[in-house]
Amino acid sequence: KAGVTQTPRYLIKTRGQQVTLSCSPISGHRSVSWYQQTPGQGLQFLFEYFSETQRNKGNFPGRFSGRQFSNSRSEMNVSTLELGDSALYLCASRTGQPQTYEQYFGPGTRLTVT
Amino acid sequence: AQSVSQHNHHVILSEAASLELGCNYSYGGTVNLFWYVQYPGQHLQLLLKYFSGDPLVKGIKGFEAEFIKSKFSFNLRKPSVQWSDTAEYFCAVLSSGGYQKVTFGTGTKLQVIP
Repeated sequence: KAGVTQTPRYLIKTRGQQVTLSCSPISGHRSVSWYQQTPGQGLQFLFEYFSETQRNKGNFPGRFSGRQFSNSRSEMNVSTLELGDSALYLCASRTGQPQTYEQYFGPGTRLTVT
Repeated sequence: AQSVSQHNHHVILSEAASLELGCNYSYGGTVNLFWYVQYPGQHLQLLLKYFSGDPLVKGIKGFEAEFIKSKFSFNLRKPSVQWSDTAEYFCAVLSSGGYQKVTFGTGTKLQVIP
């Protein structure tokens, strides 16, 4: 079974631009979560989507948004990029069943804002 | 709001030394606990998890963790580390009730010297 894939793997953008990141979950997984990973901050939860609905949201400004499609693929968008948005953005998928919460992570998208 | 503390940011050990990484959380309700590992250049992957039952949990590669409810702790242990254990380790807490949300600690970088 193929793992979680994220595209692109690397991105360089300038301040003020916007960016869209993509995540394809493991087949059969209906939940996709997004995290921002930075040195010293660890992983910070952005949001989770389940069956095309945002189920939960972290404490990030409205510039960060996401969506999920009917095939469970998810996109994350960051508008008006700031230097502080430079980070590794991780996507994680899981089945969505409440009894188990085992997340499978993708390789991440390394975003550099200059 | 729940939080997770990993007090050791960087640990250096010689091969065959014993390892204990601290993890404390703050959350008053029922929690589920995880340790994830990120080897250099690899995806974040699940090391072990605690949902219920025996508070001593065994994971992959000889790792184990003990859930001590009274101390709000979930420390990771390994009796004898190997050079291949060099990685970053993250503790995470899943809150129960309502919409589940995972909170990660800031991570501990483990360097094992041959």
